[in-house]
Amino acid sequence: EVQLVQSGAEVKKPGEFLKISCKGSGYIYTNYWIGWVRQMPGKGLEWMGTIHPGDSDTRYSPSFRGQVTLSVDKSISIAYLQWRSLRASDTGMYYCARSRSGWYDYWGQGTLVTVSS
Amino acid sequence: DMQMTQSPSSLSASVGDRVTITCQASQDISNYVNWYQQKPGKAPKLLIYETSNLETGVPSRFSGSGSGTDFALIISSLQPEDIATYFCQQYDTLRHTFGQGTKLEI
Repeated sequence: EVQLVQSGAEVKKPGEFLKISCKGSGYIYTNYWIGWVRQMPGKGLEWMGTIHPGDSDTRYSPSFRGQVTLSVDKSISIAYLQWRSLRASDTGMYYCARSRSGWYDYWGQGTLVTVSS
Repeated sequence: DMQMTQSPSSLSASVGDRVTITCQASQDISNYVNWYQQKPGKAPKLLIYETSNLETGVPSRFSGSGSGTDFALIISSLQPEDIATYFCQQYDTLRHTFGQGTKLEI
């Protein structure tokens, strides 16, 4: 069974570092891109970027380039999303999802990130 | 940047109604559009991929159509369990984009 399991909710202060994770199982991890999607409270889905676990090829949305970093450790089938310095506007739910030729067929359960002083 | 303009932003319909949600791309994207359903507190769920292909396990009352810049998600006979927010997504390039969403109410 294909599964993407994300790390737990985080409460952070502005300016802090954060790295959240997304562990895949039940499929050949290096065969599918992993995408990240933000959903701010009460809002729609925003595509942040995608990474290929096989070679770490990464593409970012212009809106998120320079604001976050995607990485992956293929040896343990985990993708990461990190912020070097959080802002209050980073508060939201973050989903990882597996891309099957451009469509996202399996999704993680989401990681809620709350940034507040 | 590729934009996906989705409409309407909200829609009220009755059980049994035929419902159509549309997405317009800012440039020709062939048939590279997918549709998702999201229920409150849940992750999105893939309904339709590559414009018109029904994902496994999705009821046949859902269908998709379109090409180029104009796309549609159709629910042929609305059921109570279809109450959700629906999103389109383009994947013409490796930089994907979602539409703004359509909140469907009964």
